[in-house]
Amino acid sequence: ILNVEQSPQSLHVQEGDSTNFTCSFPSSNFYALHWYRWETAKSPEALFVMTLNGDEKKKGRISATLNTKEGYSYLYIKGSQPEDSATYLCASSGAGSYQLTFGKGTKLSVIP
Amino acid sequence: NAGVTQTPKFRVLKTGQSMTLLCAQDMNHEYMYWYRQDPGMGLRLIHYSVGEGTTAKGEVPDGYNVSRLKKQNFLLGLESAAPSQTSVYFCASSQGARQPQHFGDGTRLSIL
Repeated sequence: ILNVEQSPQSLHVQEGDSTNFTCSFPSSNFYALHWYRWETAKSPEALFVMTLNGDEKKKGRISATLNTKEGYSYLYIKGSQPEDSATYLCASSGAGSYQLTFGKGTKLSVIP
Repeated sequence: NAGVTQTPKFRVLKTGQSMTLLCAQDMNHEYMYWYRQDPGMGLRLIHYSVGEGTTAKGEVPDGYNVSRLKKQNFLLGLESAAPSQTSVYFCASSQGARQPQHFGDGTRLSIL
């Protein structure tokens, strides 16, 4: 079972602000890093799956970077909108394992 | 597009009763997973399957059994429900270990 930590636990930003949060995971034996968005009363929705050190992925105003050597990933949201309000989950898996270990999430609230 | 469908959506059980949660996916995915979500915890993997006829234990398997007799279905059973199993249960599926997981809408289970 991996130790996946996310910070901050929650944050509030004003509409239009850019923000970022962190996911840390064990760097040894790394296999994949997932990011999900989880809106209230819905199910988690996949944003990115990242596997290579230095990987950078982008989806609209949301982007993510990956550093497998030091064991962290950043998720960035540019120009936050109220519809970005959600809990953002990251999850990591180790080589040879089919299991994802999820962090507890970062709850983002965007204030109009 | 159905995706991943979980039934039932809600259920209340008495301690000692048994029940089965059904997960069905129509994406021809090989991998399927059962998670539980508890307050203050990340999603925790109960059991998973990497193909029809296969199952394996996840992080918190005790008190649960699973079966994958057909590729599209993954059943989670509680033989003798306990209050500690009160939780929201999510099923997910993916094409591979490095592919994004697709989640169902969850089953809210209360055990009195």
